[in-house]
Amino acid sequence: DARVTQTPRHKVTEMGQEVTMRCQPILGHNTVFWYRQTMMQGLELLAYFRNRAPLDDSGMPKDRFSAEMPDATLATLKIQPSEPRDSAVYFCASGLLAGGPTDTQYFGPGTRLTVL
Amino acid sequence: AQKITQTQPGMFVQEKEAVTLDCTYDTSDPSYGLFWYKQPSSGEMIFLIYQGSYDQQNATEGRYSLNFQKARKSANLVISASQLGDSAMYFCAMSHPIRNEKLTFGTGTRLTIIP
Repeated sequence: DARVTQTPRHKVTEMGQEVTMRCQPILGHNTVFWYRQTMMQGLELLAYFRNRAPLDDSGMPKDRFSAEMPDATLATLKIQPSEPRDSAVYFCASGLLAGGPTDTQYFGPGTRLTVL
Repeated sequence: AQKITQTQPGMFVQEKEAVTLDCTYDTSDPSYGLFWYKQPSSGEMIFLIYQGSYDQQNATEGRYSLNFQKARKSANLVISASQLGDSAMYFCAMSHPIRNEKLTFGTGTRLTIIP
């Protein structure tokens, strides 16, 4: 049963510290997404990659957030420096997507980030 | 701009009864996809079902079916014979008209199944 994996599952850090979240997409999937979920904003798309190339990061605060895919089995989301307003659950999702309207994304378990 | 509306913040349903979770959407594009995801208390997002805008028949996946009414722009999720394990948040989502892989999510409905 192939699944998206994310590490760490929980992270508590202090304001100003660097945070790195990792995602292993389902083997063979060509598209990887990063989402953020908060009570106030719901689910927001931060960035996504197709075949490791960034396609859209318009949802991501550029000054402190960065997303990369060093290889096909690893995606990273980094926050530097972190702020309390970054506290949220960060989801990675992947899919074998052809760009059609019925492409399906599969989500990982999320990383719950708390910035004190 | 696209919009997904889920008007039921919470629902309580007796076990074994059928449940309908409402979802309406707004788009001017003729080609789109509609999705439902389940988020149990553990936090993961589980894909349940999708419907393409050109699909003639309503999608079904086991106990889940999607009541797609295109003229009304609604895509309600129907869960038959509800179980305690169905208690969760349910999100409706729609694909972007141009960048189809981008999803817009509704605010969700919290479903509680009562024994």
